[in-house]
Amino acid sequence: QKEVEQNSGPLSVPEGAIASLNCTYSDRGSQSFFWYRQYSGKSPELIMSIYSNGDKEDGRFTAQLNKASQYVSLLIRDSQPSDSATYLCATHSGNTPLVFGKGTRLSVIA
Amino acid sequence: KAGVTQTPRYLIKTRGQQVTLSCSPISGHRSVSWYQQTPGQGLQFLFEYFSETQRNKGNFPGRFSGRQFSNSRSEMNVSTLELGDSALYLCASSLYSGDREQYFGPGTRLTVT
Repeated sequence: QKEVEQNSGPLSVPEGAIASLNCTYSDRGSQSFFWYRQYSGKSPELIMSIYSNGDKEDGRFTAQLNKASQYVSLLIRDSQPSDSATYLCATHSGNTPLVFGKGTRLSVIA
Repeated sequence: KAGVTQTPRYLIKTRGQQVTLSCSPISGHRSVSWYQQTPGQGLQFLFEYFSETQRNKGNFPGRFSGRQFSNSRSEMNVSTLELGDSALYLCASSLYSGDREQYFGPGTRLTVT
């Protein structure tokens, strides 16, 4: 059973701080990794994808992938109250469907 | 470019009834995946369609079925509804089968009473 694990939170950070969200996965064959943001009552929104080891930056977001440790993280710099949401990690291998973690709830305190 | 659309947005059904949900993907996207989201189980994959063919299927009973039309629009059907089918049903589109950069629609909130 392929699994993606995330700390459910809530993770509380003050406004302006760096929020660090972590995800581990069980399938060593996992190839692609995605971070989705889901506001309460809304559908998931794709915010980052990462395919190779290392860091990938997009605005205030940085995704970090370490395949040897089977670990992927999302850093949010200068966190804003509008970043308060549940963040879902997802991965897949081959032509298998995406497997999602249950998400980490982030709360940014003004 | 318009996003993924799903209809209806909300639905209330009674146990034993059946329901059909519809999804129109982003223009140019040919793959449609369906997910069920519940607070306890999170996002769970139902099935994926590409070129009118089911490409992947999740671990759900046969009461859950789907299809895709030549214009890439997709429907899913749930027969003999159970209370446990109450969930948010999400459709996601991508360019092709195997493309896992998926974009979600707003979802259909199904309540079974």
